[in-house]
Amino acid sequence: QKEVEQDPGPLSVPEGAIVSLNCTYSNSAFQYFMWYRQYSRKGPELLMYTYSSGNKEDGRFTAQVDKSSKYISLFIRDSQPSDSATYLCAMSEGDAGKSTFGDGTTLTVKP
Amino acid sequence: GAVVSQHPSRVICKSGTSVKIECRSLDFQATTMFWYRQFPKKSLMLMATSNEGSKATYEQGVEKDKFLINHASLTLSTLTVTSAHPEDSSFYICSATSSDGQPQHFGDGTRLSIL
Repeated sequence: QKEVEQDPGPLSVPEGAIVSLNCTYSNSAFQYFMWYRQYSRKGPELLMYTYSSGNKEDGRFTAQVDKSSKYISLFIRDSQPSDSATYLCAMSEGDAGKSTFGDGTTLTVKP
Repeated sequence: GAVVSQHPSRVICKSGTSVKIECRSLDFQATTMFWYRQFPKKSLMLMATSNEGSKATYEQGVEKDKFLINHASLTLSTLTVTSAHPEDSSFYICSATSSDGQPQHFGDGTRLSIL
């Protein structure tokens, strides 16, 4: 069993929809939780970074962490075609720099 | 802030050639750099972790003599694919992090094609 599980999708939604992306994990020592966005043929770009449980909002993006359930989510409101990409969750223990990555979920937002 | 530059973005070369890929942190000191390989529509596969001034730590199954990693300064790490063959064709991505434990920041990757 992988330490971090992420549904690969693909996920296809119409423009304007609310998107929910999720990861589960097994290591209870994880404290730092990240979401990266990767466009085709580009490197991943850091979107959200949270420490421990709770919510964090940045524009149309909200990251949620539930450590009791070992479950994290990324919500995208009013999704746009430009949000079409692969989204990777990542998490780490005492140092956010050394992360374990999920396999990524491919999202397509159709105009 | 936290910009990582990777060069070149695309390489096409003949079998048997050695290829060097550079990864630079432009606005922070990268105490640790990571090298990944990614196949089409697949996840990131960590190849090695390098700390400035030390030998790289390679993941199981990654050939040290094939993939030479040098991290000689706090802003530069290089990956050299020695005597490359078609099976080495892939997308190689570096990332960097500083000593304050901030998340990794990635370069834009290098697409390597060996003919």
